[in-house]
Amino acid sequence: AQTVTQSQPEMSVQEAETVTLSCTYDTSESDYYLFWYKQPPSRQMILVIRQEAYKQQNATENRFSVNFQKAAKSFSLKISDSQLGDAAMYFCAYRSARVVVNKLVFGAGTILRVKS
Amino acid sequence: GAVVSQHPSRVICKSGTSVKIECRSLDFQATTMFWYRQFPKQSLMLMATSNEGSKATYEQGVEKDKFLINHASLTLSTLTVTSAHPEDSSFYICSARSGRSVAGELFFGEGSRLTVL
Repeated sequence: AQTVTQSQPEMSVQEAETVTLSCTYDTSESDYYLFWYKQPPSRQMILVIRQEAYKQQNATENRFSVNFQKAAKSFSLKISDSQLGDAAMYFCAYRSARVVVNKLVFGAGTILRVKS
Repeated sequence: GAVVSQHPSRVICKSGTSVKIECRSLDFQATTMFWYRQFPKQSLMLMATSNEGSKATYEQGVEKDKFLINHASLTLSTLTVTSAHPEDSSFYICSARSGRSVAGELFFGEGSRLTVL
């Protein structure tokens, strides 16, 4: 079974600075998808960024980018120019590309605090 | 992105009563929806996969008779917590995959906080 590990329960960053959240995963599959979701205090889950495993290029979405290391099974999220609104719990998630397997497997989450 | 709406957002009930939570896909049809449970500062735990027109698939350890799931239409799934007890108090979140999902990402409802007195 696939597992997702987020080893940082909490992280802090100064406003306007850069922070990196770690995520590793374990799978025997070669084709899959990886995601970062954000859950602010409102508890609404918001998709931050996605990465297809077959793509070598790291995904970017404005201030958010990932460092996808397939061989190392690592998928870290970098947030640049951190803003107060970035404060939230961040979840890394894995999904198999096999159509019959629809589930998202989530990591334990990392609480990100942004200091002004 | 696609919109998923949950109702109610908060519900308080007495022990022994049943509570129904609705999950609707507002701008797309969802043949499959997922129900999660989340405790404070913890991750999302998948409870069951709701399939339109058929029985839900429950994860190991989730009581089928306690958490009844009905997916009667392509835009509505309901979770009924039967004979609720204080230990059922939690945050319940539904999600669905839209045809617009690029990589199979899920779109989530706003969540429902259940408090059982």
